[in-house]
Amino acid sequence: DQQVKQNSPSLSVQEGRISILNCDYTNSMFDYFLWYKKYPAEGPTFLISISSIKDKNEDGRFTVFLNKSAKHLSLHIVPSQPGDSAVYFCAALVTGTASKLTFGTGTRLQVTL
Amino acid sequence: NAGVTQTPKFQVLKTGQSMTLQCAQDMNHEYMSWYRQDPGMGLRLIHYSVGAGITDQGEVPNGYNVSRSTTEDFPLRLLSAAPSQTSVYFCASSYSGPGQGDHNEKLFFGSGTQLSVL
Repeated sequence: DQQVKQNSPSLSVQEGRISILNCDYTNSMFDYFLWYKKYPAEGPTFLISISSIKDKNEDGRFTVFLNKSAKHLSLHIVPSQPGDSAVYFCAALVTGTASKLTFGTGTRLQVTL
Repeated sequence: NAGVTQTPKFQVLKTGQSMTLQCAQDMNHEYMSWYRQDPGMGLRLIHYSVGAGITDQGEVPNGYNVSRSTTEDFPLRLLSAAPSQTSVYFCASSYSGPGQGDHNEKLFFGSGTQLSVL
């Protein structure tokens, strides 16, 4: 049972345009969400997060939006740069509980020139 | 600052062999964990530890053992390797674990071990 889903395995965007990566979850208990970025042959690195008490969090070119009623979050990258080409994982957890972070299947973003 | 160090980077095993994947961190993190990454499956938690002497099972623990004798080290043992354990394995650590304290998001990952079981 995949509790965190990223339905788009891949996405191609032109440099300078907006990249939108989507993530859906089924567990209504999740109250904290994160995005990780992974380059080939490296481990994932934390990118941005959002608590369920917010509907938006921004950090430079990266913004995460959360729609709790739809159990959906999205990561916006504006403007997209070639260095953003990577696999992006969304993840979710229930705060204050046993230490388990549930990851989605990942979306491979390719930013073209 | 080395962060999270995993060894080896690559390993090929025959079915039935045993081996240990090493993980060490130098950030004095209490929480350590092992994930495996498989195509179409994302990252799945194998085992985790919230401190020395304390371990617990994750989502896919079968076929793996862990121990945590020190804060720094968290080895993952494959008891009898099977082709289904072919995967990329990541060790990750954080101050107090996902969902705890003020550092919910700060999981630091190692660079991974690519394991093939023939």
